[in-house]
Formats: sequence, C-alpha cells, structure tokens
Amino acid sequence: QSVLTQPPSASGTPGQRVTISCSGSSANIQSNIVNWYQQLPGTAPKVLIQSNNQRPSGVPERFSGSKSGTSASLAISGLQPEDEADYYCAAWDDSLNGPVFGGGTKVTVL
Amino acid sequence: EVQLVQSGAEVKKPGESLTISCKGSGYSFATQWIGWVRQMPGQGLEWMGFIYPGDSDARYSPSFQGQVTFSADKSISTAYLQWSSLQASDTAIYYCVRQMTTSWFDPWGQGTLVTVSS
Repeated sequence: QSVLTQPPSASGTPGQRVTISCSGSSANIQSNIVNWYQQLPGTAPKVLIQSNNQRPSGVPERFSGSKSGTSASLAISGLQPEDEADYYCAAWDDSLNGPVFGGGTKVTVL
Repeated sequence: EVQLVQSGAEVKKPGESLTISCKGSGYSFATQWIGWVRQMPGQGLEWMGFIYPGDSDARYSPSFQGQVTFSADKSISTAYLQWSSLQASDTAIYYCVRQMTTSWFDPWGQGTLVTVSS
C-alpha cells in the first residue's frame, strides 16, 4: 500500500486530455514539492515534472503538473500514442523521513 | 552528459551474496547523493535509501535497514549496493539515481535485474 494514492489506470484517445491524481497528506504533498516520473515500457523511469510544475528541458509542453493542499495532478493535454506508459508521483514524507512514491498509473492510448 | 551506468543482470541462488554497481559521469560524483530504488516484478517504485559518496554517509529506509548495504568509492565515481544473503523476495530491478533534492531523481541508471532462484 503506497503512501501516495494514484488511480491504477487511465486512458484516452489521441488528442484527448488525461489527468492523473496523486493524493497524500500534510506530511508529504502539502509540505513538500511533488515530482512526476514517466516509465515507458521496458525502460527506466525519467523525470517528467519537477518542483510541482516545472518541465525539464526536452519534456513536451503537453505535460503539466499542479498541486493544491494534499493533492497533486499530472495532466496530458493532447494525448499521443507515445505517451502510453506508467506515471508515478513522488514527494518527501516528513513523518517517514524519506521520499515516497505513488503506486503508479498506467496510461493507455485507445 | 550526466549519466549513471549500472552493472549487468545477475542470477543468484538464495543465500548467496551479491554486489551491484553504479558508475557516474558528467558531474561531480562525490558531492551529490546517490539513491537506490527497487522495482519488484510488475510493481511500483520503492526508495531504499541513499549515500553521499564524498564521505560515504548512508541512510536507509526502515524497510531496507539491515537488509542491504550501500557503499561508494569516490575515486572511481562508483556506488555499490550489496546483499550478504539473498532471498527470493529480492528478485527485482534495482535503479541507482542521482538524488537532486528530497524526491527529485535525475538521472536514473538503466537498472540492474537481480533474479534469485534455486
């Protein structure tokens, strides 16, 4: 059972907007930054969104992140076939004194 | 280019020992934390802990304390993850990461698959 809660799956057709939620608590999301990772099939994860809403160089503009209170969200605007992957949120947890991950959300492009 | 390159896949028997490695390049290896992340088959990501190569200060997640050992040799920009007695439940992919901040991991190594089976 992950400390951060994500839906196990999400899907959409090409061009649609897909949103993935990440629910936590005052010990993690509310008081610390959230980062998002994309794991394409058979590859290592890579950072997609850092510091709640910052896209690293090379990440397409269709990916965006937001945070409010004890929850965070990742949005994919204009879903593409190559976006089919697992997505993980992560945040430091002050109670556990370490970073925690969400359980991951598998995005399927229909 | 900043990168972390890990050692290759391993197949071991229960009770055997193992050390896997992670070599960094393209940045000051000694001055940034290296974390380890486990991904069991078909499962999500778990942070195991991290080590500061400059002085080998290591911190472990409670779930992994006493189960594994981190070490580092800053002279060759390499971090290590060690088991003294493997169990079948250690079967997983292990990633090393440069831990930029609290939960910002970049880059990731390519992963090392460890299979423990009799």
